[in-house]
Amino acid sequence: EPEVTQTPSHQVTQMGQEVILRCVPISNHLYFYWYRQILGQKVEFLVSFYNNEISEKSEIFDDQFSVERPDGSNFTLKIRSTKLEDSAMYFCASSEDNGAFTHLETEAFFGQGTRLTVV
Amino acid sequence: AQKITQTQPGMFVQEKEAVTLDCTYDTSDPSYGLFWYKQPSSGEMIFLIYQGSYDQQNATEGRYSLNFQKARKSANLVISASQLGDSAMYFCAMREGSNTDKLIFGTGTRLQVFP
Repeated sequence: EPEVTQTPSHQVTQMGQEVILRCVPISNHLYFYWYRQILGQKVEFLVSFYNNEISEKSEIFDDQFSVERPDGSNFTLKIRSTKLEDSAMYFCASSEDNGAFTHLETEAFFGQGTRLTVV
Repeated sequence: AQKITQTQPGMFVQEKEAVTLDCTYDTSDPSYGLFWYKQPSSGEMIFLIYQGSYDQQNATEGRYSLNFQKARKSANLVISASQLGDSAMYFCAMREGSNTDKLIFGTGTRLQVFP
């Protein structure tokens, strides 16, 4: 069964360093997302990406963050100058374009997550 | 106000019994979708079931069913014939309106199934 894959599964980085989290969405999906989950808290939306551009972003997704689809298969989240509070599980997700007028009912398929620890 | 409220931080159920996990939502948009995800200890998020605001019938997927009460704005997940492998965190989520892709998650309920 096709799945979203994320690498690495765990990343430790020093405060102030840049990190890139990588994701390979399901191949025929056209919508891509990043979510994060701070330990013990709920999952929070960061950004959605469609047709090679950001379609929506949350207030969390500030200038420190950027996303890219560099080669048609990978989808990356870059965090510049990491802070301690960036420590979280980061989930990539993707969903298909079902051709309907609304995207409302299309489920997002999540990867297994990357646990980022900033020290 | 919270968009998604899950009032049960933890639930216990005996194997083979049914369990209901509560979820209430808050939106003024007539178009919305409600989702349930399972997060086992390994961390991944697994889609379970979807209910659309215009759906006339409650959604069912195998042992999972959604008790959708629109007037009460509740979308409770019912797991029948619980199995030990059902032990996990369960998150209710909403996609609000037709102009957004984002899912809004609740705080989750940790379900423990005991023999």
